[in-house]
Amino acid sequence: GAGVSQSPSNKVTEKGKDVELRCDPISGHTALYWYRQRLGQGLEFLIYFQGNSAPDKSGLPSDRFSAERTGGSVSTLTIQRTQQEDSAVYLCASSPPARGRYEQYFGPGTRLTVT
Amino acid sequence: AQSVTQLDSQVPVFEEAPVELRCNYSSSVSVYLFWYVQYPNQGLQLLLKYLSGSTLVKGINGFEAEFNKSQTSFHLRKPSVHISDTAEYFCAVIASGGSYIPTFGRGTSLIVHP
Repeated sequence: GAGVSQSPSNKVTEKGKDVELRCDPISGHTALYWYRQRLGQGLEFLIYFQGNSAPDKSGLPSDRFSAERTGGSVSTLTIQRTQQEDSAVYLCASSPPARGRYEQYFGPGTRLTVT
Repeated sequence: AQSVTQLDSQVPVFEEAPVELRCNYSSSVSVYLFWYVQYPNQGLQLLLKYLSGSTLVKGINGFEAEFNKSQTSFHLRKPSVHISDTAEYFCAVIASGGSYIPTFGRGTSLIVHP
């Protein structure tokens, strides 16, 4: 079946502009995660959605970052007034309910470059 | 809170040689442990996981890992590597009884030379 998809695959933006990154999780997956991966670094957790519960936003680095998940499916990560330090690959992952909930299925990522 | 340490940022090895990628963790509670692989320009893919039961876990592509609770380690091994195993490998931990948010290590780049 279809995996996690993300769009765009690459985004170049000017400092100060807003950007929106989209994630389509695997159908039926109840959990959705956003991560940031800077060059040569591990994954930095940003936000976690689980079903209809309030999202865990504890990883968002500043109030310029926000995310929403509509209808328990598609998610959008928005970065306002982008800064050069926001340049990174943004990864989305989803998890199924029940026994598989510890496993994450990742999308290919969106490479964001802020000039 | 839990943490994960991958001691080696880069591991070069020749094709058909054995390899071990090291992962140590710290946590005040029981944990679930994972290894993910990331090929160039791709997302992460689950290699194997330890949730409970046998401490020796076998995964895809001939990889295996052993959970050692006393040493708080979960090292990844493969007896004979291929060129195609060249990738970034991430160890991750989830604290049991908590949220399902994993903590990832910084990754180990496995470079297989012909």
